[in-house]
Amino acid sequence: SQQGEEDPQALSIQEGENATMNCSYKTSINNLQWYRQNSGRGLVHLILIRSNEREKHSGRLRVTLDTSKKSSSLLITASRAADTASYFCASFSQGGSEKLVFGKGTKLTVNP
Amino acid sequence: DVKVTQSSRYLVKRTGEKVFLECVQDMDHENMFWYRQDPGLGLRLIYFSYDVKMKEKGDIPEGYSVSREKKERFSLILESASTNQTSMYLCASTLRPPWQGYEQFFGPGTRLTVL
Repeated sequence: SQQGEEDPQALSIQEGENATMNCSYKTSINNLQWYRQNSGRGLVHLILIRSNEREKHSGRLRVTLDTSKKSSSLLITASRAADTASYFCASFSQGGSEKLVFGKGTKLTVNP
Repeated sequence: DVKVTQSSRYLVKRTGEKVFLECVQDMDHENMFWYRQDPGLGLRLIYFSYDVKMKEKGDIPEGYSVSREKKERFSLILESASTNQTSMYLCASTLRPPWQGYEQFFGPGTRLTVL
């Protein structure tokens, strides 16, 4: 089964608004990563947060991690039409299988 | 910049054909992965390799095999293509294993249709 599950499955906002996507996972993790996928293309890594970190920033991206709730969130501030894409979380579980496990993704649409 | 290239963007094959999907990375990465992506199912790991000549089954290896004769090249083989293997196939590579917390670099994907 998928380790990470994103919520919501789809999100539609206006340019300039903030977008928040959530990811929940089942077992203790070593690290959690967020990726973006533009339509019909490969995934691009956005940000990685380790289990001992609570928050991380990269440009307009802010990722939080709550290990007690087994959840992470990705916030995109001041969104642009170019942010329209699918966003995936991927986690590596401690003591588990030796691979990243991807969620099913959140499809974000930013309307101009 | 790391570059991961895949041999085809689009491919159409017939049921029963043997299909080769090739992936090449140019950054001397040890670790390479093949995923398939289907609507509503996300990315699922087919096979991975942490070293040349080494391969490990992922979550859905049935109907697939892989070859890694050289460090930079990781090939996915569909032994006898079936319609349920119609999908987007994504190759990825990473410098270190996932537990060391390194990002994966993805190729552009191959959209395979099996008729």
